[in-house]
Amino acid sequence: DAGVIQSPRHEVTEMGQEVTLRCKPISGHNSLFWYRQTMMRGLELLIYFNNNVPIDDSGMPEDRFSAKMPNASFSTLKIQPSEPRDSAVYFCASSFGVDQPQHFGDGTRLSIL
Amino acid sequence: QQQVKQSPQSLIVQKGGISIINCAYENTAFDYFPWYQQFPGKGPALLIAIRPDVSEKKEGRFTISFNKSAKQFSLHIMDSQPGDSATYFCAASMGSNYQLIWGAGTKLIIKP
Repeated sequence: DAGVIQSPRHEVTEMGQEVTLRCKPISGHNSLFWYRQTMMRGLELLIYFNNNVPIDDSGMPEDRFSAKMPNASFSTLKIQPSEPRDSAVYFCASSFGVDQPQHFGDGTRLSIL
Repeated sequence: QQQVKQSPQSLIVQKGGISIINCAYENTAFDYFPWYQQFPGKGPALLIAIRPDVSEKKEGRFTISFNKSAKQFSLHIMDSQPGDSATYFCAASMGSNYQLIWGAGTKLIIKP
């Protein structure tokens, strides 16, 4: 079975540029989560979708961050404009139901110079 | 009250030994306690999980012990192997709430 697929795996860009991270959840899963992981703050939930609808975006740091899920098999997390403090590993996870185990992708390591 | 406190931050165990990682919580409404394993360059992967209606759950060499009155739960890895070297996260959530409250992680190194 294909797991959660994230792209790109690594992204290095300059401050001020737009960054788009992509996620393909596991087929059949109807819940999707975006996380950010840093040494200082650990794993933070940014946003949660259920059936393609954003349910909770209270973890999104600020207006520079936005996320979309146009269909059940694709989601994006966009940062515009990017800042050095956005450097982190961003994970996407999906689950079959809100209270079922979350399956994580391998993440995107983002570096903003 | 929403925190999950995990200890130790790092742990070195000899091959064949028992690795023990502890977590404590305050919110008595938590009713789902998973452990995740994360290797470098990979996302966290669910290892084992427990609900408070049992005091222990075992899957192979991995065991969760749960103490409801003390509001603590722990992961025991028996016969620890170098391949178990990873970062381990405990977490907690309540009911059908998707919001996992994560521990800070424990970096486990198994020395051959």
